[in-house]
Amino acid sequence: EAGVAQSPRYKIIEKRQSVAFWCNPISGHATLYWYQQILGQGPKLLIQFQNNGVVDDSQLPKDRFSAERLKGVDSTLKIQPAKLEDSAVYLCASRPTGTSVYNEQFFGPGTRLTVL
Amino acid sequence: AQSVAQPEDQVNVAEGNPLTVKCTYSVSGNPYLFWYVQYPNRGLQFLLKYITGDNLVKGSYGFEAEFNKSQTSFHLKKPSALVSDSALYFCAVREGGGATNKLIFGTGTLLAVQP
Repeated sequence: EAGVAQSPRYKIIEKRQSVAFWCNPISGHATLYWYQQILGQGPKLLIQFQNNGVVDDSQLPKDRFSAERLKGVDSTLKIQPAKLEDSAVYLCASRPTGTSVYNEQFFGPGTRLTVL
Repeated sequence: AQSVAQPEDQVNVAEGNPLTVKCTYSVSGNPYLFWYVQYPNRGLQFLLKYITGDNLVKGSYGFEAEFNKSQTSFHLKKPSALVSDSALYFCAVREGGGATNKLIFGTGTLLAVQP
């Protein structure tokens, strides 16, 4: 079974520029998550999708971050404009469809963003 | 709000010795607890979880965790450490009900196993 795919793996931009990250979850997984992991901290949820609908985006800085999951499969996370404090690893995760809500999430390798 | 705490930034252990990585939790209601491991430049990998039942949970790669309700702890353990176990370990607790299945992570503990 193929895992969660993310691209790019690394991105360096200057502050005030825009950036987008892409995630392809495991086939058939209806639930998709984006987490932000700042160096020295644990991952923090930014947004959760169930199919193409948003379940929780309470911690997404909506003035600069946006995410979409068209067709309920792939997802993109965008930052516009980026700030220095956005430097982090952005992790995508997915969870199987139709299983217990207590089942684990499967994580991609992440995208490491550096904002200069 | 749910939370977990990992009191140790780093744990050092010699290969072959037992290891423990500590985690304490604070929840309202029943705790649903997880351990994940992160190797350099890789995503998080699931190790094990506690939902209900036996307090000793067995997981991947020989790891196990002991759930202790009275001490609100969920420590990760392994009887004999390997150098390849060296990685960053995260404890997490599930928050939310229904379709919401958010994980709240601790700050992580770096495990260093010396040969």
